[in-house]
Amino acid sequence: QVQLKESGPGLVQPSQTLSLTCTVSGFSLTSYHVSWVRQPPGKGLEWMGVIWTGGSTAYNSLLKSRLSISRDISKSQVFLKMNSLQTEDTATYYCASLRPGDYWGQGVMVTVSS
Amino acid sequence: DIVMTQTPSSQAVSAGEKVTMSCKSSQSLLYSENKKNYLAWYQQKPGQSPKLLISWASTRESGVPDRFIGSGSGTDFTLTISSVQAEDLAVYYCEQYYDTPWTFGGGTKLELK
Repeated sequence: QVQLKESGPGLVQPSQTLSLTCTVSGFSLTSYHVSWVRQPPGKGLEWMGVIWTGGSTAYNSLLKSRLSISRDISKSQVFLKMNSLQTEDTATYYCASLRPGDYWGQGVMVTVSS
Repeated sequence: DIVMTQTPSSQAVSAGEKVTMSCKSSQSLLYSENKKNYLAWYQQKPGQSPKLLISWASTRESGVPDRFIGSGSGTDFTLTISSVQAEDLAVYYCEQYYDTPWTFGGGTKLELK
């Protein structure tokens, strides 16, 4: 059974770095790529980036300078790191395995506030 | 980057009504090699993660009711709900996966009239 679960701090101070972990089960990270998608409160979905099965990455153009996605295959974990957080980065952050299939985590709410 | 524009942003509907919503891309999503449109439709209900309804512009996912119909090609796409049910009240997003960065439209919210 494919599952993804996000974890990380619920509150981050402005200018600090956000670190989130996506723990997957039911598949290998060498077989399916994993994306990060975020959603500010009451707003739409924003694709952030993807780590492909081979380990390479692709990022949202607007976030590219602040964002890094990596993984630990042995732990079945994908990591998101984004620096220089601002209040506009307050959102629910999802990890997802898309195409083939459609598997999403439940999301983790991150608030950027002092 | 490919820009996805959805209209309308919201729509008030009655149960049983036919509903159409539009999604336009800033460049063609039709890949000439395989004649496939790299366009997906998602449904998101409050407090839930998005759910894939349609991929390749018109292929319904397993378990998705046949009242959901995706159509279009190139840069213009439509999601039609042939007879809206109460459980269809949600926000619908289109997404292009023709090229990275993948991008979502702003969404169309279906509300009760």
